[in-house]
Amino acid sequence: LAKTTQPISMDSYEGQEVNITCSHNNIATNDYITWYQQFPSQGPRFIIQGYKTKVTNEVASLFIPADRKSSTLSLPRVSLSDTAVYYCLVGAFKAAGNKLTFGGGTRVLVKP
Amino acid sequence: GAVVSQHPSRVICKSGTSVKIECRSLDFQATTMFWYRQFPKKSLMLMATSNEGSKATYEQGVEKDKFLINHASLTLSTLTVTSAHPEDSSFYICSARDGQGGETQYFGPGTRLLVL
Repeated sequence: LAKTTQPISMDSYEGQEVNITCSHNNIATNDYITWYQQFPSQGPRFIIQGYKTKVTNEVASLFIPADRKSSTLSLPRVSLSDTAVYYCLVGAFKAAGNKLTFGGGTRVLVKP
Repeated sequence: GAVVSQHPSRVICKSGTSVKIECRSLDFQATTMFWYRQFPKKSLMLMATSNEGSKATYEQGVEKDKFLINHASLTLSTLTVTSAHPEDSSFYICSARDGQGGETQYFGPGTRLLVL
């Protein structure tokens, strides 16, 4: 299973762009990169998933360099409600014995 | 789409009783569901993988007789905490893998268990 490393915490201000980088040096060929957001006492919420290059949806962008050894989640113009823990998951169900494990996550605090 | 529900959202019970938590995929069929446990300010810890129609696969250190998992249908998995004790108090979260066999799992809202 690919081990992931994320910053423990990040502070930002309303309206700024937040970029969270996840390192996954031993990512396997079939592995996908998925990001989740979790608020206190709630289940994680799917944000975005990618395999390579760039993926964008209505809430975030995911940048994956050619070597795929890292990925960056970009949250444009954050608001106070974006204060949460963000998790980067790397793996493939079929290759990982049908399971994925969570790393420590990044605690993002958005200040007014 | 891809909604997963859990019931109950919160439960308080006395030590020694058993508690059942339901996890349902509302708009898709999930052949595989997962059960996680989360302590305050900690990451999610995978407890077991639940496959429809077969026995669950438990992670190392998780007592299968303590945490009974049943996945009787493609939309329902249950976790029963048997003879609960205060140390079992935690936040339990289920997830379901994309019904088409994809690489995304969707999480339920979680169940807060407090054992007195």
